[in-house]
Amino acid sequence: SQQGEEDPQALSIQEGENATMNCSYKTSINNLQWYRQNSGRGLVHLILIRSNEREKHSGRLRVTLDTSKKSSSLLITASRAADTASYFCATGFQGAQKLVFGQGTRLTINP
Amino acid sequence: DAGVIQSPRHEVTEMGQEVTLRCKPISGHNSLFWYRQTMMRGLELLIYFNNNVPIDDSGMPEDRFSAKMPNASFSTLKIQPSEPRDSAVYFCASSLFTTDTQYFGPGTRLTVL
Repeated sequence: SQQGEEDPQALSIQEGENATMNCSYKTSINNLQWYRQNSGRGLVHLILIRSNEREKHSGRLRVTLDTSKKSSSLLITASRAADTASYFCATGFQGAQKLVFGQGTRLTINP
Repeated sequence: DAGVIQSPRHEVTEMGQEVTLRCKPISGHNSLFWYRQTMMRGLELLIYFNNNVPIDDSGMPEDRFSAKMPNASFSTLKIQPSEPRDSAVYFCASSLFTTDTQYFGPGTRLTVL
C-alpha cells in the first residue's frame, strides 16, 4: 500500500508539553502534507513540505522530512487544549495524481 | 472566498431511498475529491475529478454510487439505493491541482436507517 502510516495511533499529553507524531511511507514522494481534523469537522491543511525540503515551521508547528528513511514528523510545541484533534499525513507520490491519506493520530491535550 | 460548500449538512433517510450529496468547490480550483469517513474504515477516497473529468473512481464501493461534475462549480455524489452501511460522513475537497493542498468542506453526515 502507498498509504502513509501515522504513529502513534493515539497520544495523550498534558497541556504545555510537546507532541510528536510520525508518518512513514513506502515509495518516493513529491510532497507530504499534514492536516488537522477537529471532531465533527472537515480536515484543515497545516503544512506542506516538498521532497527537496528537510524542515518547515509554522507557528508552534515544526515538520521534518527524511526521504532516506521515508518518514516525516510533526512536532507541536507548548500544546494547548485547542490542539486536541486528529492529525493526518497525506503523501503525494511520484507518478500518482492524488494524495493518499493515512489513518491519523488522535491527539488529546489534558488541561 | 466561502470555501468548499456542501449540502445538505445532515441527511437521514431510509434504506432503499436515493440520496444526492452536493458540493461547490472553491472558485478557480481544478481538482475535486469525494471522501467517505467512518470509524471503522477511516478516510477513504471515493473518486476525484480534474477539470471536470473523472480521473479515478476506483474507490467507489459499488455501482450504487455515482458522481458527476457537470461544470467547474458543482459536483454531486449519488447513492441509489442507499443501505445502512452507507452511513458515514462524506467530504468534498478541492485543490488547484491534484496533489496540491486540499480544502475540505464541512461534510455531510448521512444516516441510512
